[in-house]
Amino acid sequence: GENVEQHPSTLSVQEGDSAVIKCTYSDSASNYFPWYKQELGKGPQLIIDIRSNVGEKKDQRIAVTLNKTAKHFSLHITETQPEDSAVYFCAASILSGGYNKLIFGAGTRLAVHP
Amino acid sequence: ETGVTQSPTHLIKTRGQQVTLRCSSQSGHNTVSWYQQALGQGPQFIFQYYREEENGRGNFPPRFSGLQFPNYSSELNVNALELDDSALYLCASSLAGAASNEKLFFGSGTQLSVL
Repeated sequence: GENVEQHPSTLSVQEGDSAVIKCTYSDSASNYFPWYKQELGKGPQLIIDIRSNVGEKKDQRIAVTLNKTAKHFSLHITETQPEDSAVYFCAASILSGGYNKLIFGAGTRLAVHP
Repeated sequence: ETGVTQSPTHLIKTRGQQVTLRCSSQSGHNTVSWYQQALGQGPQFIFQYYREEENGRGNFPPRFSGLQFPNYSSELNVNALELDDSALYLCASSLAGAASNEKLFFGSGTQLSVL
């Protein structure tokens, strides 16, 4: 079935440390993997994404890696800052009946302590 | 560029009532998807609208229905509300036909409470 597992569910780090969130997906046909950041009272905001023909993508302090063989992808945040505190969601795109839908993980609550 | 806007931001209904939520898509986007996000969980796909027709649906009963208008805005209607319908309802827009058509941009959502 369609499933995305995300770990850990909560993550607490000190400011300046790195944070890593990992996801596993089930549908081998998935080829697009976005990451969203959701702050309290707001909708999910797209922060980075990666396609299956790329193994790694970086945008300033944020990077995403993808292992298609193992069906794993990860979010790496370096030099964390208090404003990085939020809930992060991974997702995998599934093409079904001619349309794309995203299957989301359950989320990781990241707390960055000054 | 105008982002995705949703209204209302909060809504309280009682069991058995009906509700209509509204969404204006991001400027230039022609596809709208609706997601339900229960407390502490990730968003779940309800359905997607393109060219004013539903072109994809998740595992939600028929009492969840929608519309898309010629200006690409959309409505989500839920009939016979149940307590479990309490959730944040998110609208996301995208551009079908583009190379990055899977890229979704979300609104801030409507928080629905069913009492």
